[in-house]
Amino acid sequence: GAGVSQTPSNKVTEKGKYVELRCDPISGHTALYWYRQSLGQGPEFLIYFQGTGAADDSGLPNDRFFAVRPEGSVSTLKIQRTERGDSAVYLCASSLRAGASFGELFFGEGSRLTVL
Amino acid sequence: AQRVTQPEKLLSVFKGAPVELKCNYSYSGSPELFWYVQYSRQRLQLLLRHISRESIKGFTADLNKGETSFHLKKPFAQEEDSAMYYCAFKNYGGATNKLIFGTGTLLAVQP
Repeated sequence: GAGVSQTPSNKVTEKGKYVELRCDPISGHTALYWYRQSLGQGPEFLIYFQGTGAADDSGLPNDRFFAVRPEGSVSTLKIQRTERGDSAVYLCASSLRAGASFGELFFGEGSRLTVL
Repeated sequence: AQRVTQPEKLLSVFKGAPVELKCNYSYSGSPELFWYVQYSRQRLQLLLRHISRESIKGFTADLNKGETSFHLKKPFAQEEDSAMYYCAFKNYGGATNKLIFGTGTLLAVQP
């Protein structure tokens, strides 16, 4: 595709439910990132994949959050037992490679999660 | 701790006026600094990065290690510059492209 694709664009759920958010990165991009953006805040790092493995998951707030990227392309962010505080826009980004690169991340339009 | 500070939530200027969006970072090593921009109803995108020393859409930013700043400047603001601007930081030469973002500044250019 032309850019990073995220689905769903909007998700409304009830407290305690399970949610999955999907990210389809730019073809050929080996690095994939998840960020969370709450109202009035900048994007907050959650987790980063290089290929299939999670290279840095230091931003995941607790064990209710989990992400996978089984084939090194599409990634799914999974949130268990959702809480109202999880309401935010979840951004996915991809880049050509990690390490000594120019650091340009290509972002998706985000998935807006609302927990009632 | 690594941190990026953007002290202004909103900066309102008139068309043709100079613009300076402030960014300060906290890091003891060698940083890479970036400015990302989000126009209305568009996705977040890279505007410029300090290592390229480039001018994009008339914007420039100079890394000042002494003041730990990376302010974004433009001599004459245009209405189309109205957007949300985020300063971002990464560890230079680090193993990942993990970016740490500031809270953003909304630039509003009045006609």
